[in-house]
Amino acid sequence: NAGVTQTPKFQVLKTGQSMTLQCAQDMNHNSMYWYRQDPGMGLRLIYYSASEGTTDKGEVPNGYNVSRLNKREFSLRLESAAPSQTSVYFCASSEAGGRNEKLFFGSGTQLSVL
Amino acid sequence: GDSVTQMEGPVTLSEEAFLTINCTYTATGYPSLFWYVQYPGEGLQLLLKATKADDKGSNKGFEATYRKETTSFHLEKGSVQVSDSAVYFCATASGGSYIPTFGRGTSLIVHP
Repeated sequence: NAGVTQTPKFQVLKTGQSMTLQCAQDMNHNSMYWYRQDPGMGLRLIYYSASEGTTDKGEVPNGYNVSRLNKREFSLRLESAAPSQTSVYFCASSEAGGRNEKLFFGSGTQLSVL
Repeated sequence: GDSVTQMEGPVTLSEEAFLTINCTYTATGYPSLFWYVQYPGEGLQLLLKATKADDKGSNKGFEATYRKETTSFHLEKGSVQVSDSAVYFCATASGGSYIPTFGRGTSLIVHP
C-alpha cells in the first residue's frame, strides 16, 4: 500500500534556485496539505487543497506556490529558495475534512538551502 | 486561531515506566483533539483521537481523555516499551475546515 508518496527524499539547493516537491496519494482522498517541520516549531501549514481545483493559504505561505494537478497530485514549488526555507516538508491527505478527519502523511522531504 | 501547548522534551524513561505527556489547547467552539506519533525517519501517523468532551481515545496501550473544563488532552501509557521511542504531537482541529493545528512535539526516549 503506497499511501502518500513524496519525492525527492533529500535535496540541497543554493540560494535563489527553484525546485518543485512532488506529492501523490492513491487513496482517492479529496483534501491534500503541505506542512513544514522545524526544530522546536512543530508542524506549520503552508498550503492546503480542500478539493481538486481549489487551493488555500495556510499559516506560512510566503515564498511558496502550489498546484493541485489532479485529485491524486499536489505539488509545492519554491521559486527562489532562501536559507529560511531549510526544513523538512510533509505532504498529507485526508478524505474530505470534518471533525473525525484523520490525516495520512508521506515520509517527508529534507531540504537544505545553502 | 487554534493553538496547542505541549510539555517540552525530551522525556527519558526506563522500560515499563508510566508515561504522561501534557497537552493543553485553545480553540474556537468544540474542537476535535488528536495525538499523532512520528517514528524516526517517518511521517506522522494518527495514534488516537477524541471528538467530544469526556471522550477517551485509546490505541496501543496509550490513552487520552478530552477534558473541556481544563482544555487538556494529556497522553498516558501505563508501561512504556523501547519501541515507543518517538516524537508525539498533540493537535486540535476546529472551525469549518477542521484542519489540524499541531503542537511543537515531545520527544520520548525509552531505555531498556
